[in-house]
Amino acid sequence: SQTIHQWPATLVQPVGSPLSLECTVEGTSNPNLYWYRQAAGRGLQLLFYSIGIDQISSEVPQNLSASRPQDRQFILSSKKLLLSDSGFYLCAWSQSYEQYFGPGTRLTVT
Amino acid sequence: AQTVTQSQPEMSVQEAETVTLSCTYDTSESDYYLFWYKQPPSRQMILVIRQEAYKQQNATENRFSVNFQKAAKSFSLKISDSQLGDAAMYFCAYRTFNPHYNTDKLIFGTGTRLQVFP
Repeated sequence: SQTIHQWPATLVQPVGSPLSLECTVEGTSNPNLYWYRQAAGRGLQLLFYSIGIDQISSEVPQNLSASRPQDRQFILSSKKLLLSDSGFYLCAWSQSYEQYFGPGTRLTVT
Repeated sequence: AQTVTQSQPEMSVQEAETVTLSCTYDTSESDYYLFWYKQPPSRQMILVIRQEAYKQQNATENRFSVNFQKAAKSFSLKISDSQLGDAAMYFCAYRTFNPHYNTDKLIFGTGTRLQVFP
């Protein structure tokens, strides 16, 4: 069966520091991968999606970037965090019409 | 562009009773998928139920069922025999598919917080 992992689970970072969040999927190959952000009390906003290695599309211009160095690995990064980057970050995978989510990372920028 | 609206920020239900959560959407597409996701306090998004727009029959998964009204662009979730474990945020989502880029995107509503009282 397929599983999706995210780490770290929680992260507290100062403004201006770099960021790296990792997502990996097991039990499947060539999935579509997604990064979403959920602000407090809000719905999910799609940030990036990827249909393959080094194939990344950005949905919202922002302070973040994404990379997919391996088929089942998706990384969300930032060179300098802003206060507005705080939120809950969810990774998801898909191979048909359903998306399945990881456990998420709670990021607090101080 | 597609939009998803959940007009009920909060709902409550007594244990063992039935509750209906509302969702409306706007689209010009004729074929699409709709989903309900549950987000418990752990915040992991859990797929509850899906509906294919080309199917007239409403989807059912155990105690969860939908009322899909394509012409009205309405997609409500009914939870029967509510349990304490059903307490969570519920999100309605619309899937838009781009065959040119071979990808699909979920557009989410703002969610409905469901409380279940014993």
